[in-house]
Amino acid sequence: KQEVTQIPAALSVPEGENLVLNCSFTDSAIYNLQWFRQDPGKGLTSLLLIQSSQREQTSGRLNASLDKSSGRSTLYIAASQPGDSATYLCAPDGDDKIIFGKGTRLHILP
Amino acid sequence: EPEVTQTPSHQVTQMGQEVILRCVPISNHLYFYWYRQILGQKVEFLVSFYNNEISEKSEIFDDQFSVERPDGSNFTLKIRSTKLEDSAMYFCASKLVLDTQYFGPGTRLTVL
Repeated sequence: KQEVTQIPAALSVPEGENLVLNCSFTDSAIYNLQWFRQDPGKGLTSLLLIQSSQREQTSGRLNASLDKSSGRSTLYIAASQPGDSATYLCAPDGDDKIIFGKGTRLHILP
Repeated sequence: EPEVTQTPSHQVTQMGQEVILRCVPISNHLYFYWYRQILGQKVEFLVSFYNNEISEKSEIFDDQFSVERPDGSNFTLKIRSTKLEDSAMYFCASKLVLDTQYFGPGTRLTVL
């Protein structure tokens, strides 16, 4: 049974810092892994998708890496901005369903 | 760009009433899903649906829940007799085959 752990659970940093959000998962038999952003009370915004055969994906200031064999993914946010404040969810997709982590609640201080 | 749509965006109902949450998946997709997120908790898998039948369901998806693809475009989640604890955001998702799941914007269900 897939279990997903995200560390830290919450993070509060001043604007401009580079950040690393960590995700670990127990079942490496995944098709892909997505990182989502969720604002309070809102839906899921897909940020990055890494296929199981890939090692990383980049979009703007975001970079996600995947080490499938060790069950780890990281989301790197460069030059953080107050608008990055949200909850970030790690979501490995395998066995015909996505198992979500509890997320990292990020607060960027102006 | 094609997207998954869900209606209504917010549904308020009385405990014990039946509700139907509607989703229109991306048109050529073959796999369909429902997830829910209780306020302050993580997103949880409810059910997957392929070839007009349930392929997997979680322990949350008990007899009060059912899914249907009534007309080849809509995908619905029915809750027969709502409970207070069914209050949550419900997300629909679809995918073509072995690729990414695309999520709808969600329906917020409030049971009073």
